Amino acid sequence: GEDVEQSLFLSVREGDSSVINCTYTDSSSTYLYWYKQEPGAGLQLLTYIFSNMDMKQDQRLTVLLNKKDKHLSLRIADTQTGDSAIYFCAESMEGNEKLTFGTGTRLTIIP
Amino acid sequence: EAQVTQNPRYLITVTGKKLTVTCSQNMNHEYMSWYRQDPGLGLRQIYYSMNVEVTDKGDVPEGYKVSRKEKRNFPLILESPSPNQTSLYFCASKGLAGQRSEQFFGPGTRLTVL
Repeated sequence: GEDVEQSLFLSVREGDSSVINCTYTDSSSTYLYWYKQEPGAGLQLLTYIFSNMDMKQDQRLTVLLNKKDKHLSLRIADTQTGDSAIYFCAESMEGNEKLTFGTGTRLTIIP
Repeated sequence: EAQVTQNPRYLITVTGKKLTVTCSQNMNHEYMSWYRQDPGLGLRQIYYSMNVEVTDKGDVPEGYKVSRKEKRNFPLILESPSPNQTSLYFCASKGLAGQRSEQFFGPGTRLTVL
């Protein structure tokens, strides 16, 4: 079955880069997502990547996908206090709207 | 403004007292879904609906019911809540036509069952 794993916590100094990692088990995953959850709020889609891509960049965000190792990462450049949140990776398959989420990584910014 | 709304946002109740959490979207989306979020477990799907009068179980449906009588609404019903249903609940919706689109999430409902 599907399983998505993440580290629970990450602390980064303000201005440094944050790298949040995710591993998944289902090789038939077609789409991989990164969601951000700020305190008291719902989930906001940050970015997503198709499984036939290796990398996607969007301003401060870089997503890297290693399909062979089933490893996904989100790099946030120049991390700011507003980046403090829980970050979830998720996967879905073509023709199936269900999202399978990881456990979430709580990112804490150290001033 | 395109959005998914949930009510109530916070609810404290007692074991066995039936409750309904409402979810409404104004984007004419076909697909709607309920998730629960628990520490260390991420979000798990409870039920989903592909369109009006079409609902199906997700990964953790036990103890929950849903209905989809209208396209915009997808209420989550707990007939006899128990403490293990204390959780943070999210409703989501998504359009199914055209190119792949994102799921929009509501703000969440924090439920405590005593």
